[in-house]
Formats: sequence, structure tokens, C-alpha cells
Amino acid sequence: GNSVTQMEGPVTLSEEAFLTINCTYTATGYPSLFWYVQYPGEGLQLLLKATKADDKGSNKGFEATYRKETTSFHLEKGSVQVSDSAVYFCALTSNSGYSTLTFGKGTMLLVSP
Amino acid sequence: GAVVSQHPSRVICKSGTSVKIECRSLDFQATTMFWYRQFPKQSLMLMATSNEGSKATYEQGVEKDKFLINHASLTLSTLTVTSAHPEDSSFYICSAISGTSSYNEQFFGPGTRLTVL
Repeated sequence: GNSVTQMEGPVTLSEEAFLTINCTYTATGYPSLFWYVQYPGEGLQLLLKATKADDKGSNKGFEATYRKETTSFHLEKGSVQVSDSAVYFCALTSNSGYSTLTFGKGTMLLVSP
Repeated sequence: GAVVSQHPSRVICKSGTSVKIECRSLDFQATTMFWYRQFPKQSLMLMATSNEGSKATYEQGVEKDKFLINHASLTLSTLTVTSAHPEDSSFYICSAISGTSSYNEQFFGPGTRLTVL
């Protein structure tokens, strides 16, 4: 079956530091990959996505590249802000049948001034 | 982008009562809606998938008689937690798929915080 593994948090950084949150996956076929962000007390918002190998998703300074050879989709940002503090979820869907999302456990990011 | 709303955003109820949570797609028709449950500091657990006009498909371990799902129209799905108990306290999130989306992207509601006393 499908599975997503994320690095455990919390990840604690100072403002303007470089961010990497690792994500690896196991899936059959060619899944689509996503990063979602959840701010405290809110639902999930799609941050970025990639639908095929070597695609790079990017949004709000965040980016992630779909690496089929390493089955990875690591999230990066060059300079984090306090407002980036949230929980980040890596997820995938298979490209057949329903678009059921398989989520990683989430990684909390805490950015201090 | 597509907007999904949930109502109420927060509800507190007494043990033994039933609670209904609504999930609406505001600007698109949702052929499929999903219901998730999220425990504190944990990931989302898919509870069930509902298609308009048909019975919901529940994930293994989810009691369908306790968590009643109705998807009566292309813009509304409801989750009713029957005879709620404190262990049902959780954050419930719905999502919806637009029938016209080529990527089958799920759009998430803001969630409903249920507290059972």
C-alpha cells in the first residue's frame, strides 16, 4: 500500500534560516505528491504539488521536487518567517481510481524572531 | 480556488447527544467528499468517502452506525456523530473533489472542533 514518511518535529528555526523538511514515499505506479500546511486551529491548505517525476512545485517561497529515483519530495525554503510556523503535511494520491490522500504524520515548524 | 466551508466551526455537547456537522462546497459541485478525523498533534485519518446520492464508504475500524454520513446534494455532505462520548472529541475535517478538476485535487474545509463533555 501507499505510505508517506516525514521527519519528526518540531523543527525549530530562527527567522531567515534555511528550511528542509524531508518526505519519502512508497507507492505503486506514479503518484501525485503534495505539501499541505495547517495553521493552528485551521484546516489544511494546499501549499504546492507535483504530478510527475522531476516536476518542481513552488509557492510562497517554498519548493519541492518530485524525485522518483529516491522516492522523495523534500520541502525547502530559503528564508523562513515567523508566519511560516505551522504543521506541514506531505501527502500523495495514486493516479488510479479515487483521489484518496495518504498523509504523513506532519512536521511542526516553529520559527522564532 | 475552490472553497469548502464547514459548520459549525466549534461545538460542545453533552455525552449521549448527537451532533451534526455540515460540509459545503461553495463555488463548485463536489462529486465526492471525504471526512477526516484528526487527533491532537497527529495526522489526518480518513474516516469515509461519500458520493452524492449513494452510501458512504467507510474505512476499516470506523463505525458507520456511529458516524452517519449523508451526501444529499452535489454541494452538501453531513456527518452526524450519534450518541457522542468524550472519546469522540476531536477535530473533524471534510474535503471535496471538484468533478471538473483534472488533478482530482481535494479542497479542505476549515475543520470542526467537537468537544464532548
